[in-house]
Amino acid sequence: GESVGLHLPTLSVQEGDNSIINCAYSNSASDYFIWYKQESGKGPQFIIDIRSNMDKRQGQRVTVLLNKTVKHLSLQIAATQPGDSAVYFCAENTPDNYGQNFVFGPGTRLSVLP
Amino acid sequence: GAGVSQTPSNKVTEKGKYVELRCDPISGHTALYWYRQSLGQGPEFLIYFQGTGAADDSGLPNDRFFAVRPEGSVSTLKIQRTERGDSAVYLCASSLLSSSDTQYFGPGTRLTVL
Repeated sequence: GESVGLHLPTLSVQEGDNSIINCAYSNSASDYFIWYKQESGKGPQFIIDIRSNMDKRQGQRVTVLLNKTVKHLSLQIAATQPGDSAVYFCAENTPDNYGQNFVFGPGTRLSVLP
Repeated sequence: GAGVSQTPSNKVTEKGKYVELRCDPISGHTALYWYRQSLGQGPEFLIYFQGTGAADDSGLPNDRFFAVRPEGSVSTLKIQRTERGDSAVYLCASSLLSSSDTQYFGPGTRLTVL
């Protein structure tokens, strides 16, 4: 399949270490945020989401932090594994007259080193 | 079905031709979305359906692009007079009720316009 993100920022981590992927979002009115993982040749896969009335949410091995003051979102992956290697996108949803305005960030490539 | 499916997985066409891309959403999902993803970038919103109607088509780049969802399930994205700049991966996603729900993506159709 087609490779995604050949020229994206890359984060390289050792297997077993924790990873932190950051995202700056653009609209202070955004009220819903999602992190997606995309492997080469596949569609984005939902990882975790958070709404604007929260500042932290935890899943299995993943944590999302939301700082509305500086419009910053981060994804933390604990004990990073080779299978975590992919491109990670944050997405923000802003309510508008149509009900939604869903915008993806540019993405970060996570490379897990053995 | 178990997930969102898209056909064909790959489509190669010549400049000026007409193409149709198909999306089968998750059964029971009311909302359906089309995105376009160019190499090295995040998905770019094209159009959003609520049931049979297009709730938001503000992302369609020009009038060569059109999408339908006549029975509120399967959707077809239609591109007339294709141009080389239309080459991209076209992603479809669906969510249960609205854009406030998690979007689940299909694998995409890679369109190449020669």
